Amino acid sequence: AQSVTQPDIHITVSEGASLELRCNYSYGATPYLFWYVQSPGQGLQLLLKYFSGDTLVQGIKGFEAEFKRSQSSFNLRKPSVHWSDAAEYFCAVGTGTASKLTFGTGTRLQVTL
Amino acid sequence: GAVVSQHPSWVICKSGTSVKIECRSLDFQATTMFWYRQFPKQSLMLMATSNEGSKATYEQGVEKDKFLINHASLTLSTLTVTSAHPEDSSFYICSARGQGLRTSGANVLTFGAGSRLTVL
Repeated sequence: AQSVTQPDIHITVSEGASLELRCNYSYGATPYLFWYVQSPGQGLQLLLKYFSGDTLVQGIKGFEAEFKRSQSSFNLRKPSVHWSDAAEYFCAVGTGTASKLTFGTGTRLQVTL
Repeated sequence: GAVVSQHPSWVICKSGTSVKIECRSLDFQATTMFWYRQFPKQSLMLMATSNEGSKATYEQGVEKDKFLINHASLTLSTLTVTSAHPEDSSFYICSARGQGLRTSGANVLTFGAGSRLTVL
């Protein structure tokens, strides 16, 4: 069975600083990988996804993530964080046909002004 | 783009009553819907998968008699929490996989905004 680990429970960065959120996965086959963002009391919004091809994927809101098979990682990055980026971020791995997603425990991002 | 609507967004009920949560795909046909449960400051746990016109498939440890799922049409799935108790209080989120939403052979899910249930 697949699993996802997000080592950082809580991260605080200053506005304008760069950001990297870590995600490691465990899956026997080629994974489908996702990053979602959740604002308080809200559902999930898809930031980006990796299915195949270029290992550096671009998403919405200036986010990008890089798939590194050798490290079983799919870290999320943003060059310059905005205060509105404060939220909970979830990494997820999915099985293609069934679309069942397994989520990590999430990383709460706090942005200081 | 694809939109999934969940209703109600929050509900408070007395212990022992039943509560129904609706999940609707507004601009696409959802062949499969997934129901998740999220405890405060925790991740989403998949409860069940429902396919239109067939019985839901429940994850291990989820009581199918307590959490009734119906997917009677291609645009609507419902989750009914029967005889709710305070421990059922949680944030319930649905997601939908639709026809025509494939990318590179895989299916992209659209999530609803969630429903917060509080059982007194």
